Amino acid sequence: NAGVTQTPKFQVLKTGQSMTLQCAQDMNHNSMYWYRQDPGMGLRLIYYSASEGTTDKGEVPNGYNVSRLNKREFSLRLESAAPSQTSVYFCASTGQGRITEAFFGQGTRLTVV
Amino acid sequence: RKEVEQDPGPFNVPEGATVAFNCTYSNSASQSFFWYRQDCRKEPKLLMSVYSSGNEDGRFTAQLNRASQYISLLIRDSKLSDSATYLCVVDGGSASKIIFGSGTRLSIRP
Repeated sequence: NAGVTQTPKFQVLKTGQSMTLQCAQDMNHNSMYWYRQDPGMGLRLIYYSASEGTTDKGEVPNGYNVSRLNKREFSLRLESAAPSQTSVYFCASTGQGRITEAFFGQGTRLTVV
Repeated sequence: RKEVEQDPGPFNVPEGATVAFNCTYSNSASQSFFWYRQDCRKEPKLLMSVYSSGNEDGRFTAQLNRASQYISLLIRDSKLSDSATYLCVVDGGSASKIIFGSGTRLSIRP
């Protein structure tokens, strides 16, 4: 059982480039999340999706777009990367009904130069 | 006011000490509560769920106080390996999402 799979694990982008971070879960979870974590800081919610076909902004959505392709997959897109988006990105999912524990991917370490 | 608030620390305590963290939450409709542990920018991992009656897992005890809207984590006989950031997690009530506190850093010294 793979849990939550994030790709890629590492990425270096030049300012202005675009990329998509991929996330997939195999636990039949309804809710999925994208967080970023800067050095010495806590997790900050970028976007979340409570169910297939719905997405909502979190605390820091500017500069990002998301797509909940199906129940399994939730992707995060940076249209025009900026150095301020250098961070570690985590995808997570939680089960349905009463909120269950969150399962995380291993993270994507993104550097924008 | 933040939805979930934690003392950021750092807490620096000697090995063998008992240390306690509190976390307050603002949504009285929240039903699910957790403590997570995060090591050095790795993904957070579940330490324990927090049940209404309180629960214990070895050296770790979690408690919930609904009236005052806080949860706590007590670590007894702390080990060097307990050094990490501890994250309080609460569900958003009807919002179908979880909310993370910003974490409390714990450092255990020999």
